[in-house]
Amino acid sequence: AQKITQTQPGMFVQEKEAVTLDCTYDTSDQSYGLFWYKQPSSGEMIFLIYQGSYDEQNATEGRYSLNFQKARKSANLVISASQLGDSAMYFCAMRDTGRRALTFGSGTRLQVQP
Amino acid sequence: EAQVTQNPRYLITVTGKKLTVTCSQNMNHEYMSWYRQDPGLGLRQIYYSMNVEVTDKGDVPEGYKVSRKEKRNFPLILESPSPNQTSLYFCASRVDRGKNTQYFGPGTRLTVL
Repeated sequence: AQKITQTQPGMFVQEKEAVTLDCTYDTSDQSYGLFWYKQPSSGEMIFLIYQGSYDEQNATEGRYSLNFQKARKSANLVISASQLGDSAMYFCAMRDTGRRALTFGSGTRLQVQP
Repeated sequence: EAQVTQNPRYLITVTGKKLTVTCSQNMNHEYMSWYRQDPGLGLRQIYYSMNVEVTDKGDVPEGYKVSRKEKRNFPLILESPSPNQTSLYFCASRVDRGKNTQYFGPGTRLTVL
């Protein structure tokens, strides 16, 4: 069975600084996908970034980058130059290649301070 | 605008009163799914559908039903809701190829008294 672990229930960061949100995963699949979603206080789930298990380069999307370390089974999200609007809950998720579901971690609540 | 819509957005009901939460997507996606979100547990899949008339159980299907008669719609049915089904529900859809990025609806906050 797949499992996603996010060990940081909450994080604080100063505005304009970078922050890393941790995610480790466990799977026996060779091919898998890793995702990060943002959930602001309004409740919607916003897709941020994707990393495929066979992608040789770390994914980047604007201020978001994914630090993918396959041997360590980690897929940490790095947010550069934090903004107040980055305050939200962040979820790491993995795609199940069998039934193609997403398995989610428990989330990290990020608060950006001015 | 490409989107996944859910209705209602908020619902308070009583134990045992059947209810349906609708989900519709306009992106012609084959795959649709329902999740529930509970504090400290992240999102857990309830049911999913690979295409019209093809549905299957996710991780927490007990107490729920779904149907997929049309590609765009995937309603979630609670035949006899109970208080432990109080949760935030998300519908999601995606095309069944490529990155398989799932796009989520806005969520339905359900309270069962």
